[in-house]
Amino acid sequence: SQQGEEDPQALSIQEGENATMNCSYKTSINNLQWYRQNSGRGLVHLILIRSNEREKHSGRLRVTLDTSKKSSSLLITASRAADTASYFCATDRMDSSYKLIFGSGTRLLVRP
Amino acid sequence: KAGVTQTPRYLIKTRGQQVTLSCSPISGHRSVSWYQQTPGQGLQFLFEYFSETQRNKGNFPGRFSGRQFSNSRSEMNVSTLELGDSALYLCASSRSDRGDEKLFFGSGTQLSVL
Repeated sequence: SQQGEEDPQALSIQEGENATMNCSYKTSINNLQWYRQNSGRGLVHLILIRSNEREKHSGRLRVTLDTSKKSSSLLITASRAADTASYFCATDRMDSSYKLIFGSGTRLLVRP
Repeated sequence: KAGVTQTPRYLIKTRGQQVTLSCSPISGHRSVSWYQQTPGQGLQFLFEYFSETQRNKGNFPGRFSGRQFSNSRSEMNVSTLELGDSALYLCASSRSDRGDEKLFFGSGTQLSVL
């Protein structure tokens, strides 16, 4: 079953603009990770944020986590055409020994 | 370091057949997880193996099984294939079975059931 739900499902922006994707989850987590997937390929890890962290940066990526609202956001600044991909959040749930559970993903299109 | 290798890349089968997919993790990684990805259901967790033991299993029927060998390579098997089994099957490896380990994914096996 899905743990996370990304919002929006699809996003189209112009190159140079910022892209914001949101992830909501249902149960308490130990940490949350964001992954990127280019069409039909495997996923690539972007960033991990732990439940006791509120914000994390990596290059043009900024991730926030609000455990009270059970939500996270991924911001990509100054987007490039090469950022076109699907983005997934994945949670490590406290109440489960499952490996990471992935959300439904946001499809990002960056127009040149 | 070589990445996660999945074979074959593409596979076409007919209903009722069985299929075996292979995954070679990154050298030194002992945990291998399998996911099924479909347009309608997204990424669904199948199972995880660590040191040749199945640690976790997702909500899939018994037709889906797997194993891990002493060299950490893993295989998954699907018997009595159904049309709904058509999907991209992704394998991911990590150093341990800790939940804060990042996963390294292979390119997947695209299975089409006709």
